Amino acid sequence: NAGVTQTPKFQVLKTGQSMTLQCAQDMNHNSMYWYRQDPGMGLRLIYYSASEGTTDKGEVPNGYNVSRLNKREFSLRLESAAPSQTSVYFCASRLGGFDSYEQYFGPGTRLTVT
Amino acid sequence: AQTVTQSQPEMSVQEAETVTLSCTYDTSESDYYLFWYKQPPSRQMILVIRQEAYKQQNATENRFSVNFQKAAKSFSLKISDSQLGDAAMYFCAYRSENTGNQFYFGTGTSLTVIP
Repeated sequence: NAGVTQTPKFQVLKTGQSMTLQCAQDMNHNSMYWYRQDPGMGLRLIYYSASEGTTDKGEVPNGYNVSRLNKREFSLRLESAAPSQTSVYFCASRLGGFDSYEQYFGPGTRLTVT
Repeated sequence: AQTVTQSQPEMSVQEAETVTLSCTYDTSESDYYLFWYKQPPSRQMILVIRQEAYKQQNATENRFSVNFQKAAKSFSLKISDSQLGDAAMYFCAYRSENTGNQFYFGTGTSLTVIP
C-alpha cells in the first residue's frame, strides 16, 4: 500500500515548455486534489476532483489543466510553463463523503521554471 | 472563500516545554472541520489533529491538543513536552461541511525546538 505517489520528484523546465505531473493513489479514494506550495503562502488549491469523471477549479487554476484519468489517477498539466509556476506541487486524496475527514498527501514535486 | 490566518510565522520552544500555535479563520458557516498538519523537512504533510465544529469538547492526541473557540473563530494548537522531532512547519486548515471538497490552509508557522 503505497498511499499517494507523485512523479517526478524534481523537474526543471524552460519558460514555454509543457509537462504533466502524475499522481496516483491506491486507497480507493474518491476525491483527489492538486495544491501548490509557495514560501509564505501556505498550500493553495489548484484543482480538485470530487469523484471520477468530475473536476473543479480551486483557488489558483490559471495556467493549469487536469485530467481524472480513472479513480486512481489525477494528472496536472502545465501547457506553457512560466517562472511564476515555480513551486512545490502536492497531490492529495480523500475517501470522500460525510465522515471522511482526512486528506492524504503525496511527497510533492519541486518544479523550477527558468 | 474562507480565509485561515496564522499570525506567527516562526515560533521556538525549549525541549520538554509547552508551546501554543495560533490560528484564526473567517467563515459564516456553522458546520465545518478544522485541522492541524505538520510538515517536517521531508515535505511530507502529516495530519496532527482535527476538530469538528459541532463538538464542544477540544480534541486531544497524545501531546497535542487544541483550544477551539467557535465564537471567536480561533483554533490554537498546544504541544506539550516538546520533542526535537516536533520541529516542523505547522499548517492550520479549514474544510466546509457544505462544500466539503475544498480545504483552505493558513500560511504556516515554523516551529524550532531548542535542545
